[in-house]
Amino acid sequence: EAAVTQSPRNKVTVTGGNVTLSCRQTNSHNYMYWYRQDTGHGLRLIHYSYGAGNLQIGDVPDGYKATRTTQEDFFLLLELASPSQTSLYFCASSDAGGNTLYFGAGTRLSVL
Amino acid sequence: GEQVEQLPSILRVQEGSSASINCTYENSASNYFPWYKQEPGENPKLIIDIRSNMERKQTQGLIVLLDKKAKRFSLHITDTQPGDSAMYFCAAGATSSGQKLVFGQGTILKVYL
Repeated sequence: EAAVTQSPRNKVTVTGGNVTLSCRQTNSHNYMYWYRQDTGHGLRLIHYSYGAGNLQIGDVPDGYKATRTTQEDFFLLLELASPSQTSLYFCASSDAGGNTLYFGAGTRLSVL
Repeated sequence: GEQVEQLPSILRVQEGSSASINCTYENSASNYFPWYKQEPGENPKLIIDIRSNMERKQTQGLIVLLDKKAKRFSLHITDTQPGDSAMYFCAAGATSSGQKLVFGQGTILKVYL
């Protein structure tokens, strides 16, 4: 089964703080995604990537940057965190678009 | 936009009965429709999917139906068990949209004895 590892698992920061969420997948998948999960909204796509150096804008990108440094590693950056970004963040990968997404365990972020 | 609407948001059924979740989508180019199950404190996992060249697919106690004309698809869980209690998400994806999936809002299914 695909392995997707997220870190940290929990993070608390203050408004205006700088946060980086990390994701690593070890199954040679080309596609990686960042989603946020909020009650009443389901899973919403923030950014995604087709491969190292590639970045695609998702449906809720405002306030977020992302970088895909290698095929394995995908980072989500919040440079000026706001309380509205308090959420559960999931990273996922797939071997090709339109195929199974494998999700990480999630990172719970609280912005105070 | 590319929205996926999912209903109901909460579904309570008695053990042994069936449960149905319905989703509608906007993008007529959508051609891939997966369903994910998320147990409390866990990550979402794929349970079944259907592509646009099919109208019905069944695996174990799960049935998915797709009506492309109505832009509607649904998940039916037969003979529900307490282990089926979870959050369920539908999603829709289109090759023309860069293969990204748009998820519904989720349905909390509670199976009671």
